[in-house]
Amino acid sequence: GQNIDQPTEMTATEGAIVQINCTYQTSGFNGLFWYQQHAGEAPTFLSYNVLDGLEEKGRFSSFLSRSKGYSYLLLKELQMKDSASYLCAVTGANNLFFGTGTRLTVIP
Amino acid sequence: GAGVSQSPRYKVTKRGQDVALRCDPISGHVSLYWYRQALGQGPEFLTYFNYEAQQDKSGLPNDRFSAERPEGSISTLTIQRTEQRDSAMYRCASSTGLAGPGAKNIQYFGAGTRLSVL
Repeated sequence: GQNIDQPTEMTATEGAIVQINCTYQTSGFNGLFWYQQHAGEAPTFLSYNVLDGLEEKGRFSSFLSRSKGYSYLLLKELQMKDSASYLCAVTGANNLFFGTGTRLTVIP
Repeated sequence: GAGVSQSPRYKVTKRGQDVALRCDPISGHVSLYWYRQALGQGPEFLTYFNYEAQQDKSGLPNDRFSAERPEGSISTLTIQRTEQRDSAMYRCASSTGLAGPGAKNIQYFGAGTRLSVL
């Protein structure tokens, strides 16, 4: 089976750095995705990790440790528009399994 | 088209009626996926296609749910004899590459169809 754990909600201040953690259990791991979803909108792709280590893309970075079943998404220089849900998803044998998401609120 | 297109955007139906939800993927995308998303939850996998072939339907809740993609492009998710518990946002996604083990396939999601069963 598959299971993903993420914090339900987080709050951070504009300009700060926030780390959203994700732990997972899955059989047949084939990669981990992070998606961003603004309220009432479709999820949009942020990052993909399949090997251990850090992937950096602008203000967003994602880290993976396969041995620990652990990933995090790091958001730097937070902006108000970063307020959204952040979904961790793992690829199993054939499909993408999503966690419930972390709702991030950025405050001034 | 520019993105994944789903229709209708909203569907209100009475319990017991059948509904058909349509998905038009990004042009050229070979894989298409259906998800159901409850409020405050992540998308829940239902089924997916590579071209016209349905590869995995393990996520379909029961035999009232079916999907097809007869020409490898547009797909239809059909729910027969709808029940109130079927009310949810139904999302479609597509990707360029073939879905399967070891595949890095970025999925592009549509805006979804909000289904309400009264």
